[in-house]
This record gives sequence, C-alpha cells and structure tokens, in this order.
Amino acid sequence: AQKITQTQPGMFVQEKEAVTLDCTYDTSDPSYGLFWYKQPSSGEMIFLIYQGSYDQQNATEGRYSLNFQKARKSANLVISASQLGDSAMYFCAMRRFRRGSTLGRLYFGRGTQLTVWP
Amino acid sequence: NAGVTQTPKFQVLKTGQSMTLQCAQDMNHNSMYWYRQDPGMGLRLIYYSASEGTTDKGEVPNGYNVSRLNKREFSLRLESAAPSQTSVYFCASSVGSDPDTQYFGPGTRLTVL
Repeated sequence: AQKITQTQPGMFVQEKEAVTLDCTYDTSDPSYGLFWYKQPSSGEMIFLIYQGSYDQQNATEGRYSLNFQKARKSANLVISASQLGDSAMYFCAMRRFRRGSTLGRLYFGRGTQLTVWP
Repeated sequence: NAGVTQTPKFQVLKTGQSMTLQCAQDMNHNSMYWYRQDPGMGLRLIYYSASEGTTDKGEVPNGYNVSRLNKREFSLRLESAAPSQTSVYFCASSVGSDPDTQYFGPGTRLTVL
C-alpha cells in the first residue's frame, strides 16, 4: 500500500523566515513522482512543485524548494522568505509510475496547516 | 482559459436524492479525476478517466457513478445520496504523461441531510 505521512498538523513561522514542511512516503515502486499542493482558506488546490524519483537535483520553483532524500523516503517542502499569503494547508502527494502508465491517482497526506505571523 | 471548472459550487441534498456534479476542462488534457475531501483528511480518489471512453474506480467508488462525456467533460453522479457523502468534491485533470501534474477545479461543497 502506498502511504504519505505528514507529521506536523500545524506549523507557525514569522514573516520573512524560512519554514520546512515534512513529508515521508512509502512505496516499493522504483519510479514515482512527488507533489506539493497548497490549499488556502478559499478552498482551491494549487500545484506548487514536483519531484521525480529519478531526478538528480532537488526541484525549485521560486520561493519553494523540495528537499528530496530518496534513501530516507522524504520529500520536505521548504518555503523561503515566508509571506502572510503563504498561510494555508499544504498537502504532499505521490503518484506511482509503472510501465508507461501513471496509474491514475495521487496519494495524499493529511496536510500541514501553516500560519505565517507578522 | 478557465482551466478546470465545476458546477455547482454548493449543494444541499436530502438523503435519497440524486444529483450530478459537472466538471469541464479546457486544457486539452486526456485524464480526468474525481476526489473527495473530508475534514482532517487528504483527498481520496473516487473515480478517474485515463482517456476519453475509459473510466476506472479509485479508492472510494461506492455510491458514485461517472461519465466521461467527451474529452472535456467528466461528471460524477450520486444516485441516492447518503449523509456519509457530505464532503467537498474536487475534479482534476492532467495531460496523461509524465510528470502528469494534476490541476484542480475550485471544488463543490455538498451537504446531505
């Protein structure tokens, strides 16, 4: 069974500071993808960043970076220079990839609620 | 370019009523998905359609049916709503090839009394 674990129900960070949101995953597949999504209070799911299991370098997208440690099966999201607008729920998700097929689903963690304070 | 759109945004049903949630995407994506999100949980897959003309069950398909009407549209039907189906429903789409990032609609908040 595939599993995503986010151990931090809530995190607090001061504006302009960096914060790391933890994510560990469990899969026996050699090929997979890892995603982070942001869900603000308005409810929509916003794609932030992607890391493939064979990617040599950690993914970065603006202020977001993914600290990928394959041997430890962790894919932590790092947000640099936090802004008030970063306050939201953050979800880690994994997709399997086998024999040319994406196998059709994302496995989601339960999320981490990030609060940025001034 | 609206991305993924869902109707309605909110709905209240009585137990036993039926309804269809509509989803459309204008990104020419091949794959479409329906998820539900319950409080304190991540999203769980109900059904998905890898390509036009195909549908497959996800993790929680009981009580739901889907129709991939064409490449753009993927509907979710509740034949006899139950209080356990009170949830927020998200439709998503993806191109269907690696990395296959899924893009989500705004969600439908459904309450079954």
